Amino acid sequence: AQKITQTQPGMFVQEKEAVTLDCTYDTSDPSYGLFWYKQPSSGEMIFLIYQGSYDQQNATEGRYSLNFQKARKSANLVISASQLGDSAMYFCAMREDTDKLIFGTGTRLQVFP
Amino acid sequence: DTGVSQNPRHKITKRGQNVTFRCDPISEHNRLYWYRQTLGQGPEFLTYFQNEAQLEKSRLLSDRFSAERPKGSFSTLEIQRTEQGDSAMYLCASSSNREKNTEAFFGQGTRLTVV
Repeated sequence: AQKITQTQPGMFVQEKEAVTLDCTYDTSDPSYGLFWYKQPSSGEMIFLIYQGSYDQQNATEGRYSLNFQKARKSANLVISASQLGDSAMYFCAMREDTDKLIFGTGTRLQVFP
Repeated sequence: DTGVSQNPRHKITKRGQNVTFRCDPISEHNRLYWYRQTLGQGPEFLTYFQNEAQLEKSRLLSDRFSAERPKGSFSTLEIQRTEQGDSAMYLCASSSNREKNTEAFFGQGTRLTVV
């Protein structure tokens, strides 16, 4: 079974608008962490934001926020005021009791002027 | 410290040849991970080290793959008798501790093409 599901292969957004990238996860572990990474065409995975399963508030980091709905097992990334440089692949990932990250298949975001 | 460094960035090899990749983690990080990413997919876990000890290996890591981290510093990933299916981006990451909220820092990857 897929542990991390990203159902949007591609998304378009106009510059300065907000966009939501979807992520749902599956785990029976009560303690887990959720991450979002950005991968530009250069290939490097860039950490954006983290949400812990016990965190009461949604995580925010600058223009990035995470809409965490635990009962629905979703952890959507919201990017506000999109910029051209936000165009990239975005990956949702989960860490359970083991140390490894489990990634989704990603969403390609394209920001147009 | 400029982050996680991987060499080479690109490698083209003929089927059946052996290849070796190197990863230099962030210096104070004791955890080092290898992932493989094929086109259109997210990274898939291969193996990880805590210091010099290899603690977990994925089923994806066939017996043609071997990873080492001597002295708990840099790591090497060797693929013997390469096959076309080994063509992928090989990503290395490092992190500082085991807490679930600790992000892993990734290198820029080594893109392997087997012809």
